[in-house]
Amino acid sequence: DAKTTQPNSMESNEEEPVHLPCNHSTISGTDYIHWYRQLPSQGPEYVIHGLTSNVNNRMASLAIAEDRKSSTLILHRATLRDAAVYYCILNQLYSNSGYALNFGKGTSLLVTP
Amino acid sequence: NAGVTQTPKFRILKIGQSMTLQCTQDMNHNYMYWYRQDPGMGLKLIYYSVGAGITDKGEVPNGYNVSRSTTEDFPLRLELAAPSQTSVYFCASSYGREAFFGQGTRLTVV
Repeated sequence: DAKTTQPNSMESNEEEPVHLPCNHSTISGTDYIHWYRQLPSQGPEYVIHGLTSNVNNRMASLAIAEDRKSSTLILHRATLRDAAVYYCILNQLYSNSGYALNFGKGTSLLVTP
Repeated sequence: NAGVTQTPKFRILKIGQSMTLQCTQDMNHNYMYWYRQDPGMGLKLIYYSVGAGITDKGEVPNGYNVSRSTTEDFPLRLELAAPSQTSVYFCASSYGREAFFGQGTRLTVV
């Protein structure tokens, strides 16, 4: 199974950009890179995903390295509500019968006023 | 459109008791999942389903059973509850890419 590596924690000041890194050196050509976040006492929520090209949506941007062995989630202006655990996940074929998200420990983002 | 609904939100079980965690989605998604999350850890996949009548084991299936008789429902059955099953359980559904999660069931086995 391809796995991801993220820092355990990061800290940011409010209204500043945040760059959350993720390494996935054993990614295969068909693995999509997904980012989810989990606010305290809630279920995970989808943030963004991509395959090869950089992606933007209303929540964040995803920058994918040319060799696809790493990616960066970019929050353009962090707010206090962005404090959460951020998971970088490869959406992989699980046991040849379907896709499933394989969660690691994620990065705990602290946002300070 | 309620999304993914889990019941109950909280439950305390005694060792050896059984219970069913309910999960319903109204988005007509084929994929459904059960995860558990222990304190300070990421989510671990228990079981998943790619459609009605089809289920498969995830990473930590021991002590659990599932069924998928309809597209909407994916109940998780705990038989003979053990303290090691104390955890927060999340159900999710997906159309293949973005997954939607319920609010979780916090289960304590004493």
